[in-house]
Amino acid sequence: DTAVSQTPKYLVTQMGNDKSIKCEQNLGHDTMYWYKQDSKKFLKIMFSYNNKELIINETVPNRFSPKSPDKAHLNLHINSLELGDSAVYFCASSQDSPDRIGTQYFGPGTRLLVL
Amino acid sequence: GQNIDQPTEMTATEGAIVQINCTYQTSGFNGLFWYQQHAGEAPTFLSYNVLDGLEEKGRFSSFLSRSKGYSYLLLKELQMKDSASYLCAVLDSNYQLIWGAGTKLIIKP
Repeated sequence: DTAVSQTPKYLVTQMGNDKSIKCEQNLGHDTMYWYKQDSKKFLKIMFSYNNKELIINETVPNRFSPKSPDKAHLNLHINSLELGDSAVYFCASSQDSPDRIGTQYFGPGTRLLVL
Repeated sequence: GQNIDQPTEMTATEGAIVQINCTYQTSGFNGLFWYQQHAGEAPTFLSYNVLDGLEEKGRFSSFLSRSKGYSYLLLKELQMKDSASYLCAVLDSNYQLIWGAGTKLIIKP
């Protein structure tokens, strides 16, 4: 009965490849997120998405694209992987109301290493 | 720009009390959050303050002063399992969470 799940947990790949990370939540939340946590441990929001709106952090390269087949899933597709993409990627979800949106539930993370 | 500052690392002794400070400058304010992140794991929600004052939850308390742009997380009766990073985050005017870099708390026996 995992609340937010991500696959794979580890991903090792070559520069230039295309890869996807999957995320699913069974909390009935309306909003889902993708975060990148680099080696300095900064959590940076990449995308937030609900059934109405996709908000993209303007610093995110367009090689990264979120895909949401339904409101319980938000997958992350990455084209032409670069060395600097190596990081831990966290999926998260929350309710959409103003008093609940900051209480986010995180998946276990995907550790991406680009060689 | 938006900025959240917290100490990089703190050390405390098992059984003691520790206070982790956070100062923020953000475009708008809709609440301040503390999260705990153990090494190699995901962040988990600890506390939420939107009004000035102290919120107590067991051994953990969080304080907010909006006029000073300041919060602290107080951990009492420290246990070894409290060794983790503690992340301060502010919900800005766009309802986006802005995160601090986290404070790594080391507990010594």
